[in-house]
Amino acid sequence: EADIYQTPRYLVIGTGKKITLECSQTMGHDKMYWYQQDPGMELHLIHYSYGVNSTEKGDLSSESTVSRIRTEHFPLTLESARPSHTSQYLCASSEPDRVFEQFFGPGTRLTVL
Amino acid sequence: DAKTTQPPSMDCAEGRAANLPCNHSTISGNEYVYWYRQIHSQGPQYIIHGLKNNETNEMASLIITEDRKSSTLILPHATLRDTAVYYCIVRVKDNAGNMLTFGGGTRLMVKP
Repeated sequence: EADIYQTPRYLVIGTGKKITLECSQTMGHDKMYWYQQDPGMELHLIHYSYGVNSTEKGDLSSESTVSRIRTEHFPLTLESARPSHTSQYLCASSEPDRVFEQFFGPGTRLTVL
Repeated sequence: DAKTTQPPSMDCAEGRAANLPCNHSTISGNEYVYWYRQIHSQGPQYIIHGLKNNETNEMASLIITEDRKSSTLILPHATLRDTAVYYCIVRVKDNAGNMLTFGGGTRLMVKP
């Protein structure tokens, strides 16, 4: 069954640690996205990719970085986590000509102590 | 891009129809209306979209007024699992340069 996966679902980590949030999709979608959402607040696009070797910054500035070496995989990395990075991170994907019909993963809830 | 206005919250009795309004008075001729919902602690889920004709799928119906300045998402028989935040988004379809922008949405509470 085609789907989009995120791991871990929950992560509690100390300040200064390097972390990578994983996102994988089995739908063969070229476009992938990362959103950030604080509890009860709006979603904000922080990164997106048109395909392999493509990465772009979104509307909200973020200290995280992304990579796209394989079509199905779009990991997000924080080199040195801080409490201000505490949030929920949502990954999504879409077909290149249907960018407004996005499929979202379940999200990773990150807490940095 | 056209701005949308939605009520911040609504209640609906279980088994009744939930009618969620959205105003988009500045919509242009080539902009579509998209609806998503986000159940608590989950990622958003695409529901439906339309241009000017009414649309229906297995999840909901979308009614767009003739002047296209407003629309209504209808959940015909709301269940407790339909409790979520519903987002109305207006965008030009298939424009690779545009991204989804989620506003405040309407928090729908379905009550027993």
